[in-house]
This record gives sequence, structure tokens and C-alpha cells, in this order.
Amino acid sequence: DTGVSQNPRHKITKRGQNVTFRCDPISEHNRLYWYRQTLGQGPEFLTYFQNEAQLEKSRLLSDRFSAERPKGSFSTLEIQRTEQGDSAMYLCATPRDSLYSYTFGSGTRLTVV
Amino acid sequence: EDKVVQSPLSLVVHEGDTVTLNCSYEVTNFRSLLWYKQEKKAPTFLFMLTSSGIEKKSGRLSSILDKKELFSILNITATQTGDSAVYLCAVPPFGNEKLTFGTGTRLTIIP
Repeated sequence: DTGVSQNPRHKITKRGQNVTFRCDPISEHNRLYWYRQTLGQGPEFLTYFQNEAQLEKSRLLSDRFSAERPKGSFSTLEIQRTEQGDSAMYLCATPRDSLYSYTFGSGTRLTVV
Repeated sequence: EDKVVQSPLSLVVHEGDTVTLNCSYEVTNFRSLLWYKQEKKAPTFLFMLTSSGIEKKSGRLSSILDKKELFSILNITATQTGDSAVYLCAVPPFGNEKLTFGTGTRLTIIP
């Protein structure tokens, strides 16, 4: 148990379908981050929230991607019209005792076929 | 653009060996450098380094930062099979909330 729960663990979808992932931090944190990790690469920043507000979005986050954090607790990441290039591990993270010492969730592995 | 380069990309050693993993960085207005360990899923935090020459230590793992030469090393002594993982180095660019990660070093410990 990492302190950040992500669901589902795995998702296989056909190209063109929409998918939604959820991140539930166990403890209240005002900041929440989404990263994407492809095989053989380090995690890449996608977006982050301070409470309900989405404060920064990477240029990796095309208009097919949308993220929300409606009550400042859990967060969802939706990908519309999935493409094979979206296949990756999607990681959610919250700060630990200092801003960058994140607690990561176990991730959602997306495979687009 | 900010950059983090890790070497080697992969390393295979026998149990009991000592390993040194390298991380070099280019970042505007350095603030800190972080090391994470990723076994199967979630990266787990190891160290955060902010000052040159001050070693951070946790058991058999230690790390040090050289802000003049822009690199950090992670040492693991008396390696065990449980040390097999990808080790990630990351820096936060100035004025930015995100972390920029390197590609990682995949360490495999042979029993």
C-alpha cells in the first residue's frame, strides 16, 4: 500500500475508445500530480492540481486528455479517442514530507490495441 | 531545456558487489536532486540532495551531490537481490512544480 490508490491497475482498450483512470490519495493533500511512463523511460510530467485547481499542463497533454479533481481529494484522468501512442503507465503522486519527495501510486497500465 | 542523464542504462552484478550509479543534470537555477527506486510499479523515494558534498545515507545506500560538476552518484554496498530495480534520478526545474526524470539505470543483482 503506497498511500495512493489508482484504479484500474490495467486497462486494455481498442484504439478510438475513451478511457478514464482514477487516483485516490489516502491522506488529504492539496497537491496531486499525474505522470506518464513509457517502457524504458522515466516518468514524464502531465499535469498537477492544487486543491481543485489544475495549475499546470504539459504539452504532452493534448486536447484528447482531460484531468479533474472536483473536490480536491480524488482525481480522474480521461483520454478520449485513444491512440496506440497512449499506451503507457499512468502514475499519480502526492507530496510526502517535502514538496518533491512524492508518494506515487502503483499506476494504471494502459494498452491500446 | 532541462536535462537529466543517467548512466549506465543497465548494470548486472553479483550479490555482494558494490555499485555506483551516475546522474548528471542541466537545469536552470538548481534547487535539489532526488533519487527514486522503482521495482515493479510505483517509484519509491530514496534521497533528496540540496547541498554539495554532504552525503545522505540509508543503510547500504548512500548518495552525494556535486553542484560544481553538476552530477550525483548513488552507491549501494553489499548488494542484495532485493536491490534489483530501476533507479531514477530527478530534478525540479526552477519555478516549476514538476520533476524532470532521467531514463533510469536498471540494476540486476545475480544471486
